[in-house]
Amino acid sequence: GDKVKQSPSALSLQEGTNSALRCNFSIAATTVQWFLQNPRGSLINLFYLVPGTKENGRLKSAFDSKESYSTLHIRDAQLEDSGTYFCAAEMDSNYQLIWGSGTKLIIKP
Amino acid sequence: AQTIHQWPVAEIKAVGSPLSLGCTIKGKSSPNLYWYWQATGGTLQQLFYSITVGQVESVVQLNLSASRPKDDQFILSTEKLLLSHSGFYLCAWSQQGANSDYTFGSGTRLLVI
Repeated sequence: GDKVKQSPSALSLQEGTNSALRCNFSIAATTVQWFLQNPRGSLINLFYLVPGTKENGRLKSAFDSKESYSTLHIRDAQLEDSGTYFCAAEMDSNYQLIWGSGTKLIIKP
Repeated sequence: AQTIHQWPVAEIKAVGSPLSLGCTIKGKSSPNLYWYWQATGGTLQQLFYSITVGQVESVVQLNLSASRPKDDQFILSTEKLLLSHSGFYLCAWSQQGANSDYTFGSGTRLLVI
């Protein structure tokens, strides 16, 4: 089965609303990263997390290694937040990231 | 500031032809380097990583090879392209050592016909 399960697979939101994305891990993750892939394909690193939380503007992310999940919260969604969000977990310092299948987010005006 | 540059931006190649994609990182010494492949609409699949010049580790065999001829350069290549090689190729770097954030290049779109 999938080692990193990401949900939801797609989400459509009105501008100004809030959302939460989630990744569940079936094996022990040591670090988690969240990326946004824009329509041109560029991957932007949003967060790098060891267990704990981080906040950057309207984005907030948490990683709970004991419960094996990570979340990404988007507050007051804007049109430019549209794209595909990926989480990726590193396990045991082996220079490999295990990726979720992505959440396609569409923000409507 | 570190910069990562991938070339070419896009390619259309014939089945059976050779391929070489390049990635250069400036402003960072001894980075870890990675090659990823993404099918259209799919998730990312790691292909190779390198933690030092001249050493490359394969993660997934897709009839591709990689080399790191210089500290700041990572090359992905094959002598014979397959239709299944079509997709989006991304290079990334992270700090020397393990457990640090990844920065990606802007990618190369490859169509094999």
